[in-house]
Amino acid sequence: KQEVTQIPAALSVPEGENLVLNCSFTDSAIYNLQWFRQDPGKGLTSLLLIQSSQREQTSGRLNASLDKSSGRSTLYIAASQPGDSATYLCAVSAGNQFYFGTGTSLTVIP
Amino acid sequence: DAGVIQSPRHEVTEMGQEVTLRCKPISGHDYLFWYRQTMMRGLELLIYFNNNVPIDDSGMPEDRFSAKMPNASFSTLKIQPSEPRDSAVYFCASSPRLSTNYGYTFGSGTRLTVV
Repeated sequence: KQEVTQIPAALSVPEGENLVLNCSFTDSAIYNLQWFRQDPGKGLTSLLLIQSSQREQTSGRLNASLDKSSGRSTLYIAASQPGDSATYLCAVSAGNQFYFGTGTSLTVIP
Repeated sequence: DAGVIQSPRHEVTEMGQEVTLRCKPISGHDYLFWYRQTMMRGLELLIYFNNNVPIDDSGMPEDRFSAKMPNASFSTLKIQPSEPRDSAVYFCASSPRLSTNYGYTFGSGTRLTVV
């Protein structure tokens, strides 16, 4: 069974810092990997989707990388802002379903 | 498209009552998923459908939980009878397919409180 782990569970940084969130998965046979953002009391918003054949995807200040062979993905956030404060989840599509990590709670301090 | 639509947004009910949660997936999406999210367990997949047919319901916690998808545009998750430990946020998500280019789109969730 695919297991997805996210480290750290929580992260607090001052505004303006660049930061990296980590996601690891146990089975490299995935279709794709997706990063989501969840604000308190809200649903999940898709940020980036990386297909299994891709190495990275970029959207604005966000850059996600994928290394299937090592079972790792990173989400890089440049020049962090207080509005980036949220929980970030990664999910991998494998077999016949999606598997979610437990998330990283990010706080950006003004 | 309006996205995945869930109703109600909030539900407060008494223990023992029946609760029905509703979901309208994005038109053309063949897959529909029901998730439950709690602080303790994070996101748990309860059940998913492909072309209105339940494919995997191994995540449904007990017989008190049931889900249906009578047509491509509507699904329900029912809890009968409800218990306080069912309190959670229930999300519905849909996807065109599971492989390659496509990911999930989530609804805003239903926050269920059973007192």
